[in-house]
Amino acid sequence: EADIYQTPRYLVIGTGKKITLECSQTMGHDKMYWYQQDPGMELHLIHYSYGVNSTEKGDLSSESTVSRIRTEHFPLTLESARPSHTSQYLCASSERPRRGSGELFFGEGSRLTVL
Amino acid sequence: AQSVTQPDIHITVSEGASLELRCNYSYGATPYLFWYVQSPGQGLQLLLKYFSGDTLVQGIKGFEAEFKRSQSSFNLRKPSVHWSDAAEYFCAVGLGSSASKIIFGSGTRLSIRP
Repeated sequence: EADIYQTPRYLVIGTGKKITLECSQTMGHDKMYWYQQDPGMELHLIHYSYGVNSTEKGDLSSESTVSRIRTEHFPLTLESARPSHTSQYLCASSERPRRGSGELFFGEGSRLTVL
Repeated sequence: AQSVTQPDIHITVSEGASLELRCNYSYGATPYLFWYVQSPGQGLQLLLKYFSGDTLVQGIKGFEAEFKRSQSSFNLRKPSVHWSDAAEYFCAVGLGSSASKIIFGSGTRLSIRP
């Protein structure tokens, strides 16, 4: 059973608000990821991290920022939310393929609606 | 540029028929390769993966995939589909020496005809 948690599950906020989406995993995985996915659509990689104090931007340009101060924690922050940020945000983690399965373990997602 | 292409947006097959979903990637080296399935309103589940060795890999639910280096492809197959296989299927590649960056294709929606 994967142990990766996202909060909040659902969030409705007004334009211009600052939000932080939390993601924590208890599996000790090195790598963590944030994806953006609209219902029934593809997953876009927006941020990833291969360890503490390492973060990289993904292929989808995003105004969000992330931090990785602790192995288990990978929060995503939007300083000023806009309606275009309305989407589902999926957090995932994995081990190195040669040490583990390389499989991505996903949280249940945070569905963000910006009015 | 690194990319994953799933050329078929939507495929419909009859129950009991065979299935092949296509996946091609663009990358300067052999990536780590994955297939995930997502049922409506559900999370993603790993079907199978390829890192090295035998290019034909077996996965869960009767799925298999074959890595073809010359074609940069990793197509997913199943000899006989079941109605419960209707879902969205995503091919993914892990880039770098430890697959630190994992990107997904646009997905193929599979419908099953009774």
